Amino acid sequence: EAGVTQFPSHSVIEKGQTVTLRCDPISGHDNLYWYRRVMGKEIKFLLHFVKESKQDESGMPNNRFLAERTGGTYSTLKVQPAELEDSGVYFCASSHGNTIYFGEGSWLTVV
Amino acid sequence: GENVEQHPSTLSVQEGDSAVIKCTYSDSASNYFPWYKQELGKGPQLIIDIRSNVGEKKDQRIAVTLNKTAKHFSLHITETQPEDSAVYFCAASKGYQKVTFGTGTKLQVIP
Repeated sequence: EAGVTQFPSHSVIEKGQTVTLRCDPISGHDNLYWYRRVMGKEIKFLLHFVKESKQDESGMPNNRFLAERTGGTYSTLKVQPAELEDSGVYFCASSHGNTIYFGEGSWLTVV
Repeated sequence: GENVEQHPSTLSVQEGDSAVIKCTYSDSASNYFPWYKQELGKGPQLIIDIRSNVGEKKDQRIAVTLNKTAKHFSLHITETQPEDSAVYFCAASKGYQKVTFGTGTKLQVIP
């Protein structure tokens, strides 16, 4: 069974540009989460989808971040325009029950 | 919201010795406590978890304990090996809601 897959694995963009991260959850998992780890700090929650609906988006830092999950399958996280402080690793995770499985992360560097 | 504290932030042990990482949580409604291991350049991997109706769980060299009254939970790794070196995160959640992470412990096992 395939795990949570994320694309791209690494991205370097200039300040002001746009980046879109994609996450494919484990097949059949209704719950999809986005997290990020910035500058070696703790892993912080961004938002939670249940199927295509946003269950909790309390962790989204500001309106430069837009997450979608059309059709309740894969999800995208768009950062527009990117700022230097957005650099970090963005993790996607999915679950069917309590157990949450993480992807390898999308490592974003904004220069 | 939930707040998870984790100690120590770094831990060095000799190969073969035991390692203990401790966490506390604030929300008494939290009922699920996973532990994740993150190796360099990879996503968090679930290594063990415990639910609030259980006080202790063991899987080979790894064990977790939970004290609901004190809101403490701990990870114990026995007979440590160099491949155990990584960053370990404790976490807490309730139901199918978001997981709140601790700040991480960087474990170094010295051969």
